[in-house]
Amino acid sequence: DAMVIQNPRYQVTQFGKPVTLSCSQTLNHNVMYWYQQKSSQAPKLLFHYYDKDFNNEADTPDNFQSRRPNTSFCFLDIRSPGLGDAAMYLCATSPSAGQETQYFGPGTRLLVL
Amino acid sequence: GQSLEQPSEVTAVEGAIVQINCTYQTSGFYGLSWYQQHDGGAPTFLSYNALDGLEETGRFSSFLSRSDSYGYLLLQELQMKDSASYFCALRNYGQNFVFGPGTRLSVLP
Repeated sequence: DAMVIQNPRYQVTQFGKPVTLSCSQTLNHNVMYWYQQKSSQAPKLLFHYYDKDFNNEADTPDNFQSRRPNTSFCFLDIRSPGLGDAAMYLCATSPSAGQETQYFGPGTRLLVL
Repeated sequence: GQSLEQPSEVTAVEGAIVQINCTYQTSGFYGLSWYQQHDGGAPTFLSYNALDGLEETGRFSSFLSRSDSYGYLLLQELQMKDSASYFCALRNYGQNFVFGPGTRLSVLP
């Protein structure tokens, strides 16, 4: 089945230790998004890609970076995780820039010790 | 900037109809979407309104009034499995998606 896959589902890292979260999709969608969702809050958009065109949200901390080496894969790098970065990180895709429907992966829950 | 407001919680009984409201402030947007999210799960797309009026998808319907900066999600024939959080979201002309704070729906037997 075509889908959005996120690995791992749970990630534990240490304060200040770089961590990378991964997302892959078999939907061949042009657009990919990264969201941060903290407990009982709404998803907050961090980045999005239209194909290779990278778009950084204005209030996304510099501590967060992203890479999209090809259509199928997208990575979220947190260079120096702080305790406040503990959250669920959701990857989503859309077929094209004009499409409103987003298809979400199951998320990676990040714990920072 | 843009902001969306939703009630934090709604409770209803099985078989009932419930309406979840969303009011927003934005300088311009393409449309209003609705997503469902069960505890520990990922959001799933429910409905989208680009134009004013009602969109119906099975038991779920969504409404938009741009003149009133208002939309709602209507859930009919409520089932226990509908207990979840519901988010409205808009895509503004800057191509950014912004989600509302979410409404937690509890369906009672």
